Amino acid sequence: SYVLTQPPSVSVAPAQTATITCGGNNIEDKSVHWYQQKPGQAPALVVYDDNDRPSGIPDRFTGSNFGNPATLTISRVEAGDEGDYYCQVWDTSSDRRNEHWVFGGGTRLTVL
Amino acid sequence: QITLKESGPTLVKPTQTLTLTCTFSGFSLSTSGVGVGWIRQPPGKALEWLAFIYWDDDKHYIPSLKSRLTITKDTSKNQVVLKMTKMDPVDTATYYCAHRLWVSGQSINAFDVWGQGTRVTVSS
Repeated sequence: SYVLTQPPSVSVAPAQTATITCGGNNIEDKSVHWYQQKPGQAPALVVYDDNDRPSGIPDRFTGSNFGNPATLTISRVEAGDEGDYYCQVWDTSSDRRNEHWVFGGGTRLTVL
Repeated sequence: QITLKESGPTLVKPTQTLTLTCTFSGFSLSTSGVGVGWIRQPPGKALEWLAFIYWDDDKHYIPSLKSRLTITKDTSKNQVVLKMTKMDPVDTATYYCAHRLWVSGQSINAFDVWGQGTRVTVSS
């Protein structure tokens, strides 16, 4: 089954740039989605299809997927960006009979 | 506005069957392209996708738990039900249901709206 690998933690000072990586086999051939989860809350989609943002997500959140790993970049980091970030892809067998939604192990973003 | 809400028991005993219900509004599971997934998160751990059901009743499960899971839908009630048999303490988690993203007339295999989650503890 497909596996996504994320670093357990990333730390960054306020106003700096945070980069969270997501590695997977031939990940550039897949669409990568990113979620933010704050303590005690459900996850929230922040980037979909590698680099698109749902309405209401600031343009400080950008994604890229040009090769292994895919990345989520958060510019001008704020204290409110602290939380866990998960990447996710959709994987399917060649005959499309089996479909899976795969999450990475998550990255804890700490704002120093 | 799309909303989803999970409901079910907060405590189950080992070997019992867990039944969770996701009640949603703001969309119809009879509309082409629509889908709902179940995802769980053990305390302090990562998200794990469990199951997914499409508008046309196509169903998919995580391979490691496929024998224990059943996902069904009741379109008239706007509900999706997940059953998990043979519950074990390692199944203790918060269980979420979530809506498949739909943007500009195209469905995308991400989850744009999540329920608040329901915590399930497995203990005797």
